[in-house]
Amino acid sequence: KQEVTQIPAALSVPEGENLVLNCSFTDSAIYNLQWFRQDPGKGLTSLLLIQSSQREQTSGRLNASLDKSSGRSTLYIAASQPGDSATYLCAVRPEGGSEKLVFGKGTKLTVNP
Amino acid sequence: DTGVSQNPRHKITKRGQNVTFRCDPISEHNRLYWYRQTLGQGPEFLTYFQNEAQLEKSRLLSDRFSAERPKGSFSTLEIQRTEQGDSAMYLCASSPVRRNYEQYFGPGTRLTVT
Repeated sequence: KQEVTQIPAALSVPEGENLVLNCSFTDSAIYNLQWFRQDPGKGLTSLLLIQSSQREQTSGRLNASLDKSSGRSTLYIAASQPGDSATYLCAVRPEGGSEKLVFGKGTKLTVNP
Repeated sequence: DTGVSQNPRHKITKRGQNVTFRCDPISEHNRLYWYRQTLGQGPEFLTYFQNEAQLEKSRLLSDRFSAERPKGSFSTLEIQRTEQGDSAMYLCASSPVRRNYEQYFGPGTRLTVT
């Protein structure tokens, strides 16, 4: 059974700091990995999707990397801003025909002005 | 794209009542998914449709839950005889017919069972 773990569960940083969020998964047989952002009481916003054949994806100040063989992904946020405060969720789509995403519990990020 | 929409956004019901939620996916997205999220947890997969066919169901989807997508467009999720443990955020997502299968989520329906 695929399990996704995100560390740390919560992170508080001063504005302007660069930071890394971690995601690990137990089964390396994945089709892709997606990073999401969730604001309190809201739905999920897709940030980046990495196919299993890719090593990284970039969008603006965000960079996500994937090491499929070791079961790890990182989300790097450069020059953090208070507006980045949210919960960041990592999800994998297992190989084998299932369409479901398996999520971690998320990292709650607070960027202090 | 107008985004995935869900209605209602909030629902408060008494235990034992039936509730129905609606999801309108992004236009031309043929895949539609339902997830449930409880406080402090990541979303958990419930079910998946490709067009009008329900192709995958989680064991979480007990016999009190039923989902439909009758014309391959919008979908409904019904919960019968609600229990307090059903209180959660119900999220809908859709995905286009593209190789990367990126899922786009709606704002969710918050269900509170009293």
